[in-house]
Amino acid sequence: NAGVTQTPKFQVLKTGQSMTLQCAQDMNHEYMSWYRQDPGMGLRLIHYSVGAGITDQGEVPNGYNVSRSTTEDFPLRLLSAAPSQTSVYFCASSGIGQGHSPLHFGNGTRLTVT
Amino acid sequence: KNQVEQSPQSLIILEGKNCTLQCNYTVSPFSNLRWYKQDTGRGPVSLTIMTFSENTKSNGRYTATLDADTKQSSLHITASQLSDSASYICVVSASRQAGTALIFGKGTTLSVSS
Repeated sequence: NAGVTQTPKFQVLKTGQSMTLQCAQDMNHEYMSWYRQDPGMGLRLIHYSVGAGITDQGEVPNGYNVSRSTTEDFPLRLLSAAPSQTSVYFCASSGIGQGHSPLHFGNGTRLTVT
Repeated sequence: KNQVEQSPQSLIILEGKNCTLQCNYTVSPFSNLRWYKQDTGRGPVSLTIMTFSENTKSNGRYTATLDADTKQSSLHITASQLSDSASYICVVSASRQAGTALIFGKGTTLSVSS
């Protein structure tokens, strides 16, 4: 059981470039989300989805787009990379309602924007 | 404002010793409190989830306590091992519904030395 798989593990972009961070889960979880983790700060929610075709914004959505065409996949798109987007990005999933179900995290994508 | 504060920020202990990490929160409404362990370069992994009615929960050598009246939680690690070196993150959920309701602490970095 692979759980939550993120690719790539590392990425370097130049300012203005675009890219897509991939996230896939094989646990049939309805809820999926993207977080960024910066030094000295707690994880911050970027976007989330409660099912295929449904997405919503989190705390820090500017500069990012998401889509959810299948239950398994939840890609995060950076439209025009900026140095402020240098961070470690985590994808997470959980069962319906989130409720008392734990979040399952991927191992992250470390992004550097120069 | 919903907040989760963790202390200490970092901690160094000798292998075999016990330690206790603290989490204070001002989150309303309260649904549950979670502890995650995050190894360097990896995503967070769930240790425990406690609801309002639970005041103690164990997972092996990890024991979490919750005092919903004082809005405090602690994570006690018994007979520490080198593999316990990690960041421990306290997370409070403000809702049973999926979405933006998770408030993350900044974590306590634990180093276990031999």
